Amino acid sequence: DTGVSQDPRHKITKRGQNVTFRCDPISEHNRLYWYRQTLGQGPEFLTYFQNEAQLEKSRLLSDRFSAERPKGSFSTLEIQRTEQGDSAMYLCASSLAEGETFFGQGTRLTVV
Amino acid sequence: SQKIEQNSEALNIQEGKTATLTCNYTNYSPAYLQWYRQDPGRGPVFLLLIRENEKEKRKERLKVTFDTTLKQSLFHITASQPADSATYLCALYNQGGKLIFGQGTELSVKP
Repeated sequence: DTGVSQDPRHKITKRGQNVTFRCDPISEHNRLYWYRQTLGQGPEFLTYFQNEAQLEKSRLLSDRFSAERPKGSFSTLEIQRTEQGDSAMYLCASSLAEGETFFGQGTRLTVV
Repeated sequence: SQKIEQNSEALNIQEGKTATLTCNYTNYSPAYLQWYRQDPGRGPVFLLLIRENEKEKRKERLKVTFDTTLKQSLFHITASQPADSATYLCALYNQGGKLIFGQGTELSVKP
């Protein structure tokens, strides 16, 4: 296993369209996190899973955002009715519980 | 309110010197703290993890300290090289089970 994998690396979409991103964590990791990062800022927590259970979702996350982790393996993050303010880098990370956390290379979303 | 603060200004140092980056936090009780390196357009790369009962941890030219009384972590790069130029992020693992990040400090090492 070569690490956390995210797909796609880049996504350009028109305002109002739906987008979905995929994350494949390190195989033995039971925790999976989603973060959003804008220029000059640190990653901002969105949500995380322990196995297939979504344990926490940021209050900053609108109802247009949804994440799933079926069977506790890969995860998807969907943004419905995208807005220009959704433009950011979306980062996925995984870890064993309370351990070193490893990130993927991110998906750069541009909403035009 | 809860805060994680890193040096907001970029740090510029000469090659060969030691770079010291600061991470201060308030109203958290972290079980551990992690430091990451991030290059432009790429995801953060894990460097070191230090637990609340550890005072210091080293890895090659990197050293991290963790003072839970001062609520501060210091990150040192000794014998710095231009290739060390990047943004460095600290992140707390809070009791709630997620990593919370500071805004990062940009380090520039000049030859």
